[in-house]
Amino acid sequence: QQQVKQSPQSLIVQKGGIPIINCAYENTAFDYFPWYQQFPGKGPALLIAIRPDVSEKKEGRFTISFNKSAKQFSLHIMDSQPGDSATYFCAASPTAYSGAGSYQLTFGKGTKLSVIP
Amino acid sequence: EAQVTQNPRYLITVTGKKLTVTCSQNMNHEYMSWYRQDPGLGLRQIYYSMNVEVTDKGDVPEGYKVSRKEKRNFPLILESPSPNQTSLYFCASSFLWQKNTEAFFGQGTRLTVV
Repeated sequence: QQQVKQSPQSLIVQKGGIPIINCAYENTAFDYFPWYQQFPGKGPALLIAIRPDVSEKKEGRFTISFNKSAKQFSLHIMDSQPGDSATYFCAASPTAYSGAGSYQLTFGKGTKLSVIP
Repeated sequence: EAQVTQNPRYLITVTGKKLTVTCSQNMNHEYMSWYRQDPGLGLRQIYYSMNVEVTDKGDVPEGYKVSRKEKRNFPLILESPSPNQTSLYFCASSFLWQKNTEAFFGQGTRLTVV
């Protein structure tokens, strides 16, 4: 079974801190790695994504670091704010067909982040 | 506005009473899927569809059915709901085989089976 392992399950940081959420994958066919952000009562929404041809991608205060050889990627939130309190999901998928059932956005189990003022 | 619309948002039903949760997208996406979200288990895929009349099981398909008669609609059917299907359900859609395949999610349907 294709898996994406995410840690930690929950995280509490002070405002201004830098929470880091880590994910690891097994399937070498994965070549698209998005992070989704979910606020209570809402559906997940794409936050930032990376492809394995780069090792880092930054959008505002959010940065993805990617280590292809270790099959790991992580999300860093710089200068975290109370408004960043949400559940974060990493995910992975292939973007080329590699057999029946091969296209599937596989999610990690999520990290509940709380940023304390 | 690009969106995925699910209905209803909240539903309480009794064991064994058939129900349908509707999902519609206006982005001409080929790929649609259903997930259930439970505490500590994240998002688990129930069924997915790669195009009209093409559906397949995800990781937790037992007790669910789907159909894809039109590209924009992908209803989730519970023929005989049971309490273990109490969960938060999300429909999602995206393009297929594209370089940056963003999945768009609906607002969710909170289902309680008593």
